[in-house]
Amino acid sequence: AQTVTQSQPEMSVQEAETVTLSCTYDTSENNYYLFWYKQPPSRQMILVIRQEAYKQQNATENRFSVNFQKAAKSFSLKISDSQLGDTAMYFCAFMKSGTQGGSEKLVFGKGTKLTVNP
Amino acid sequence: DTGVSQNPRHKITKRGQNVTFRCDPISEHNRLYWYRQTLGQGPEFLTYFQNEAQLEKSRLLSDRFSAERPKGSFSTLEIQRTEQGDSAMYLCASSLGPSGGTPYEQYFGPGTRLTVT
Repeated sequence: AQTVTQSQPEMSVQEAETVTLSCTYDTSENNYYLFWYKQPPSRQMILVIRQEAYKQQNATENRFSVNFQKAAKSFSLKISDSQLGDTAMYFCAFMKSGTQGGSEKLVFGKGTKLTVNP
Repeated sequence: DTGVSQNPRHKITKRGQNVTFRCDPISEHNRLYWYRQTLGQGPEFLTYFQNEAQLEKSRLLSDRFSAERPKGSFSTLEIQRTEQGDSAMYLCASSLGPSGGTPYEQYFGPGTRLTVT
């Protein structure tokens, strides 16, 4: 079974600064996908960024980038130029590579509560 | 399209009562997932549908839980004889799929928060 560990229950950062959220995972699979989801207070979860395990290049989406270290099973999220709207719970998630018809279910970590201070 | 919707948003019930939640996915999405999120935890997979067929159920889904997706559109999740341990946020997500490759994005609803007293 796969497990995802987020070791930072809470973090805070000043507006406009950079913050890195950590995630490690455990799997025996070779092909898989990793995700960061954002859950703002009282709002629905949205996808921030995803990484295919077979790709060596780290994914980036505007101010969000990841540091994917496959051998170390590490997948951290860097948020640059933090904004007040980045305040949210951030969840790291794992998905096995789907064979045809596989469930593609997500396995989540416990989350990191990020607060961006003005 | 307005995204995934869930009703009710909040439900308070007494132990032993039955409750039913509804999820309306994005209209063209043929996959629908249910997850449960307890306080301080990430969401945990419960079950998923491909169109109207329920293809996988987690061991978390006890016999008191049942889910349906008639006609492959909306889905309902029923909990019978609720227990205090059922108190949680129940999340629904939908996606296109199966992809056979890079998975399609799962879009989440706002959730139904269940409190069992």
